[in-house]
Amino acid sequence: GAGVSQSPSNKVTEKGKDVELRCDPISGHTALYWYRQSLGQGLEFLIYFQGNSAPDKSGLPSDRFSAERTGGSVSTLTIQRTQQEDSAVYLCASSRYTDTQYFGPGTRLTVL
Amino acid sequence: AQKITQTQPGMFVQEKEAVTLDCTYDTSDQSYGLFWYKQPSSGEMIFLIYQGSYDEQNATEGRYSLNFQKARKSANLVISASQLGDSAMYFCAMREDSQGGSEKLVFGKGTKLTVNP
Repeated sequence: GAGVSQSPSNKVTEKGKDVELRCDPISGHTALYWYRQSLGQGLEFLIYFQGNSAPDKSGLPSDRFSAERTGGSVSTLTIQRTQQEDSAVYLCASSRYTDTQYFGPGTRLTVL
Repeated sequence: AQKITQTQPGMFVQEKEAVTLDCTYDTSDQSYGLFWYKQPSSGEMIFLIYQGSYDEQNATEGRYSLNFQKARKSANLVISASQLGDSAMYFCAMREDSQGGSEKLVFGKGTKLTVNP
């Protein structure tokens, strides 16, 4: 079946602009995760959604970052007033409840 | 303190030989899961193998096996009969199953494996 999909695959933006990154999880997966991968920080957890429960936002680095998950499926990660340190690959993963997480191809964000 | 430590930034192996990638972890939870992912140059994270803390047998998936030594808190990945396509970054990750936890994965910094012909 189809895996996790993410769009866009690449995004170049100017400092100060807002960006939206989209994740489409595997059908039937109840849990959705966002991670960030950067050279300096490695792979970092950002946010976790599980069904209708309140999301775990403990990994979001600042209040410029937010995410929502509509209808228990598609998720959007929004970064407001982007900064150069936001440049990274943003990875989305999904899982069936607490099973193995399967990752999408990522969105490479470059902030000029 | 780091929860996942991968001490080998880079490893080289000859095609068709076996290679072991090291991973040690730190947790006070009794219930946890350990994962290995492969990340080729294309960037996608590919799940390889999983070991639960209560599993008595070492996990195996084809050419991949996980050498789980609970008392030593190590979860090394063994790749047998290396292939050129195994060249990639390999990440060890842990999920702590504490009640109310977010099931998030904590990753090590990775090991870059190069398979030589």
